Amino acid sequence: EAQVTQNPRYLITVTGKKLTVTCSQNMNHEYMSWYRQDPGLGLRQIYYSMNVEVTDKGDVPEGYKVSRKEKRNFPLILESPSPNQTSLYFCASSFSGPARDEQYFGPGTRLTVT
Amino acid sequence: GEDVEQSLFLSVREGDSSVINCTYTDSSSTYLYWYKQEPGAGLQLLTYIFSNMDMKQDQRLTVLLNKKDKHLSLRIADTQTGDSAIYFCAFRTDKLIFGTGTRLQVFP
Repeated sequence: EAQVTQNPRYLITVTGKKLTVTCSQNMNHEYMSWYRQDPGLGLRQIYYSMNVEVTDKGDVPEGYKVSRKEKRNFPLILESPSPNQTSLYFCASSFSGPARDEQYFGPGTRLTVT
Repeated sequence: GEDVEQSLFLSVREGDSSVINCTYTDSSSTYLYWYKQEPGAGLQLLTYIFSNMDMKQDQRLTVLLNKKDKHLSLRIADTQTGDSAIYFCAFRTDKLIFGTGTRLQVFP
């Protein structure tokens, strides 16, 4: 089954404790991205990747890192989480960028930073 | 920058029609989308319309695009309890821009 998976689905952590949210897709997509969803703000893009070893900042990249060492995986790294990073995070992928192709979304990761 | 606005909440009775509205500022979009997010789930593409179209109908869903007023709407006919969700409009330019989301609540 074609899908985008994220782990964990729920995470509660404390300020400053490094964490990684994994994202994996099995559709051989080149483009992958991370969004955060906050009430009243919709979805905002954090980082995206056009292909292996090619990443770029989205609209709200501060406090986040990403890597793309393999085509199927695109982990989101929070080196020192803060409470303002409490949010619902979505990973998405598509064959090429959103300017050309439909994006497929993962189920989301709800992160709480205390 | 781009600005995409939606009303936050909509409450309708089961069997009635729902109309979810979206206004935007950027007119360079090629595709305009409606996504549905059910509780605890990711976003699911419901329907889309090309920017050169005014209307698209897909079973119970009707999308209307008024380019002059920069207004996009989604009409759901015969709304069911299973339609309760958050609905996002989105626009494709060089990236995907999402609206703020409308929570639709359907009551019996």
